[in-house]
Amino acid sequence: QKEVEQNSGPLSVPEGAIASLNCTYSDRGSQSFFWYRQYSGKSPELIMSIYSNGDKEDGRFTAQLNKASQYVSLLIRDSQPSDSATYLCAVTRSSNTGKLIFGQGTTLQVKP
Amino acid sequence: NAGVTQTPKFQVLKTGQSMTLQCAQDMNHNSMYWYRQDPGMGLRLIYYSASEGTTDKGEVPNGYNVSRLNKREFSLRLESAAPSQTSVYFCASSELADTQYFGPGTRLTVL
Repeated sequence: QKEVEQNSGPLSVPEGAIASLNCTYSDRGSQSFFWYRQYSGKSPELIMSIYSNGDKEDGRFTAQLNKASQYVSLLIRDSQPSDSATYLCAVTRSSNTGKLIFGQGTTLQVKP
Repeated sequence: NAGVTQTPKFQVLKTGQSMTLQCAQDMNHNSMYWYRQDPGMGLRLIYYSASEGTTDKGEVPNGYNVSRLNKREFSLRLESAAPSQTSVYFCASSELADTQYFGPGTRLTVL
């Protein structure tokens, strides 16, 4: 079992819809959770971080964490074609080292 | 500020050749990281340096060495390149477990 698992997709949604991206992790000791966006041929950039159970909202993005179910998700409201990218889920066990374990990423396609 | 810079951007090596990938950051971060990214594999941590003078192995350290030259610079060396090391290499920096900022990447092909 991979430590961090994502559906590789592609996930296709129409413009204006809600895109829901999911991630599960195996290490119950994981403490910090991140979503990175990566455009084709570019480097990853952080879009959301979440550390405690519940929801965290930032503009059109909402991260949801459920530690009991070992599940973290990212919702993108009012999806735009510019949101088309690969979304990488990452987790870390330690707050001291920053050692991230990444999932394989989910490719999102937003169709106009 | 340039953020995180990497050189070279592209490199082609023959099996058995050696090379060093350079990384520098100007954000005064303590922690620096080297990842590789292969299709369908996400990013995998090769080595990291929590602070100047310290380095530790990540998930896939075999075939690589690193040097934390000073607080700004963290290099990755391939002593004897193998085709399995064909990948995109990213350097990143952060302040402890905070946001990691990535460089533009080095696309390496080993023939």
